[in-house]
Amino acid sequence: NAGVTQTPKFQVLKTGQSMTLQCAQDMNHNSMYWYRQDPGMGLRLIYYSASEGTTDKGEVPNGYNVSRLNKREFSLRLESAAPSQTSVYFCASSEGPGPYEQYFGPGTRLTVT
Amino acid sequence: GENVEQHPSTLSVQEGDSAVIKCTYSDSASNYFPWYKQELGKGPQLIIDIRSNVGEKKDQRIAVTLNKTAKHFSLHITETQPEDSAVYFCAAPAGGTSYGKLTFGQGTILTVHP
Repeated sequence: NAGVTQTPKFQVLKTGQSMTLQCAQDMNHNSMYWYRQDPGMGLRLIYYSASEGTTDKGEVPNGYNVSRLNKREFSLRLESAAPSQTSVYFCASSEGPGPYEQYFGPGTRLTVT
Repeated sequence: GENVEQHPSTLSVQEGDSAVIKCTYSDSASNYFPWYKQELGKGPQLIIDIRSNVGEKKDQRIAVTLNKTAKHFSLHITETQPEDSAVYFCAAPAGGTSYGKLTFGQGTILTVHP
């Protein structure tokens, strides 16, 4: 039981390049989330998926797109990376869109130069 | 939307002392308040949560108190140990009761000196 896995662990992009961050969970959870973490800013929600087939914007969605590929997988895409997107990205999952524990992956450290 | 303020940003204590971290929230409709602990290089992990129908919850050395009137909740760690050193985040539902969408505080770096 791996929990929440994220790939890659580290990535360096040039401004304007695109990439997709992958996330998968093996806990049969319905809801999945993408956060970014910046120093002094805590965790900010980018997008979330309450259930398979649905996605919703969070606090900071601009510059990102998401795909809930199936119940297990939720990917985050940067179409044209900018230095302001340099951050640590965390994926999380929970049983459902209620007051449930969110289980976080180990994170992806992204640097955009 | 919900606004969550967390204080202090850093906290340094001696082993065995108590540590208290406080958060305030803005939306009176919020009714679920989790606390997450993040160790270096890892993702956050839930350590305790409280719902608005209770004023206090304890789990061994950790407790959370909630004051709905004043719109603040606090994490209390007693008999601190070096392994309690980490970053702690409070959170509240964005938009009051949108549980799936959490607004996190800015985090508190707790250092416990042996």
